[in-house]
Amino acid sequence: AQKVTQAQTEISVVEKEDVTLDCVYETRDTTYYLFWYKQPPSGELVFLIRRNSFDEQNEISGRYSWNFQKSTSSFNFTITASQVVDSAVYFCALSEVLGAQKLVFGQGTRLTINP
Amino acid sequence: NAGVTQTPKFRVLKTGQSMTLLCAQDMNHEYMYWYRQDPGMGLRLIHYSVGEGTTAKGEVPDGYNVSRLKKQNFLLGLESAAPSQTSVYFCASSYLKWNIQYFGAGTRLSVL
Repeated sequence: AQKVTQAQTEISVVEKEDVTLDCVYETRDTTYYLFWYKQPPSGELVFLIRRNSFDEQNEISGRYSWNFQKSTSSFNFTITASQVVDSAVYFCALSEVLGAQKLVFGQGTRLTINP
Repeated sequence: NAGVTQTPKFRVLKTGQSMTLLCAQDMNHEYMYWYRQDPGMGLRLIHYSVGEGTTAKGEVPDGYNVSRLKKQNFLLGLESAAPSQTSVYFCASSYLKWNIQYFGAGTRLSVL
């Protein structure tokens, strides 16, 4: 069975600090997708990134970066120079590549950026 | 671009009442999903559909039924609501070849 664990329930930092959100997953599939979604206070879920399991190259998008390590089954998310607008709940998720591509979500990490 | 639209946004039910949540997408996506979000548990899959006329059970299907009579619509029904079904419900859709799910704004349901 697939499982995603986000051990950090809540994180609070001061603006401009760097912060890393941890994600550890379990799967028996040899190929799979990993995702991060953002849920701001308004409640909608916003897609941030999808990573294929055979592509371990790290990715950077502006202040956001993602570190995928297959050896430790981790897909961590770092926000550099955090801003108040980054305050949200962040979800890590895992899906199969074939079939119905169902998402399995972690419990989420509530990130609060204080001014 | 409307994307994924959920109706209604809020609803309060009494135990035993029934209701239907509507999800509509205008992106011609093949796959559609219903999730529920509860505090500390992330999102859990209720039912899903891989095409018009097909549905399947997810992780937490008990107490819910679904139908997908048209490709763009996915309905979630509660036949006899229970307080345990108090939750925020999200619909999502995805394009077969891209495997990225796009979510609606959610429906907050309270069952008293």
